[in-house]
Amino acid sequence: QSALTQPPSASGSPGQSVTISCTGTSSDVGGYDYVSWYQQHPGKAPKLMIYEVSKRPSGVPDRFSGSKSGNTASLTVSGLQAEDEADYYCSSYAGSNNYVFGTGTKVTVL
Amino acid sequence: EVQLVESGGGLVQPGGSLRLSCAASGFTFSSYWMHWVRQAPGKGLVWVSRINRDGITTTYTDSVKGRFTISRDNAKNTLYLQMNSLRVEDTAVYYCAREYNNLVHSWGQGSLVTVSS
Repeated sequence: QSALTQPPSASGSPGQSVTISCTGTSSDVGGYDYVSWYQQHPGKAPKLMIYEVSKRPSGVPDRFSGSKSGNTASLTVSGLQAEDEADYYCSSYAGSNNYVFGTGTKVTVL
Repeated sequence: EVQLVESGGGLVQPGGSLRLSCAASGFTFSSYWMHWVRQAPGKGLVWVSRINRDGITTTYTDSVKGRFTISRDNAKNTLYLQMNSLRVEDTAVYYCAREYNNLVHSWGQGSLVTVSS
């Protein structure tokens, strides 16, 4: 049950794109398409942004997109806006009714 | 609208016990698997536990096995987390969450548990 590995930080200027990686193993990220991404602003509860690797819940801007290759999933935020500055966490189903979250990435809009 | 409201957090001494509750509304509680997720101050999210619709199937992260028990009362639309033998490292905001499509989907606002002497 080791946490998925994310870079501690990422940044970009308004309008630019930023991509966050999420690396696991064949027992979690690589073994299932149940990868999700969450946005968390300070003092707030997490908000679901991407599910099943690349699907967006209603209300989430299409600037947010997800993908997966092997044991690594990625979240891309295009056309960065000031309100995108937040912490982002990936999560994956890990088999046997277990789940695991990533270590988290702080996104800064320069 | 899905609403999840946690309660029961507070300050407890190491070795003590605490029970968190999560009142659910806005959806058919008995139809959904539920989770607890925690976040230590300034740290990342950690999945804690999951329970199936009828409360029979439960799973836990290794660090809480044998100390925490997840349960539910579908008649009261309430999820619980009984926490025993608490440690300083259990200090965190505990979130109740509803599952949908095999992922943690909707979150409560959290309840702070502080374990300290």
